Amino acid sequence: GENVEQHPSTLSVQEGDSAVIKCTYSDSASNYFPWYKQELGKGPQLIIDIRSNVGEKKDQRIAVTLNKTAKHFSLHITETQPEDSAVYFCAAPFTGTASKLTFGTGTRLQVTL
Amino acid sequence: ETGVTQTPRHLVMGMTNKKSLKCEQHLGHNAMYWYKQSAKKPLELMFVYSLEERVENNSVPSRFSPECPNSSHLFLHLHTLQPEDSALYLCASSQVYYSDSPYEQYFGPGTRLTVT
Repeated sequence: GENVEQHPSTLSVQEGDSAVIKCTYSDSASNYFPWYKQELGKGPQLIIDIRSNVGEKKDQRIAVTLNKTAKHFSLHITETQPEDSAVYFCAAPFTGTASKLTFGTGTRLQVTL
Repeated sequence: ETGVTQTPRHLVMGMTNKKSLKCEQHLGHNAMYWYKQSAKKPLELMFVYSLEERVENNSVPSRFSPECPNSSHLFLHLHTLQPEDSALYLCASSQVYYSDSPYEQYFGPGTRLTVT
């Protein structure tokens, strides 16, 4: 099965700064890497994902990069805002079943004023 | 709102009680999932139903018993739980399960379970 490691576990940044969260995975056959955001009292919500045929994907202030050789992928949030404060999870699929995900342990991001 | 609702939102039960968690999705999806979320641990997949058939059981103790009566509803029946079962139980759904291409999973808000 897949093993996903996520760092850091907590991250505090000032409003307007950038935040970067990194994940590594073990299965070289993995081809889909989603990022989920979980706000207090809510379930995780997909914010961006990347397929293995591209190295980078952007959506406004959020971007994800993928290095297949090194087997790691990262979430980049630019111009952080207080509403970005949440727990972020990376995930990767079990081999052979795209919808069966292994999640990282989460990063608690705190954006301070 | 994600289109996935869960009730109750909070539940306190003793170790000898029997209770059920309910999940309902209004998205027309064919796959539904139960996850366990404990502090400082990754989300743990417990069960998956595809087209109302259980297709995944990740070595979950028999004191957790899932039920999927139709594609919109999912239950988790609980009995003789242990204090270490206290956690946030999340339900999710996706359009399909078996596919070469992954489909987004939509999560409900979860049920916060405390076993005393």
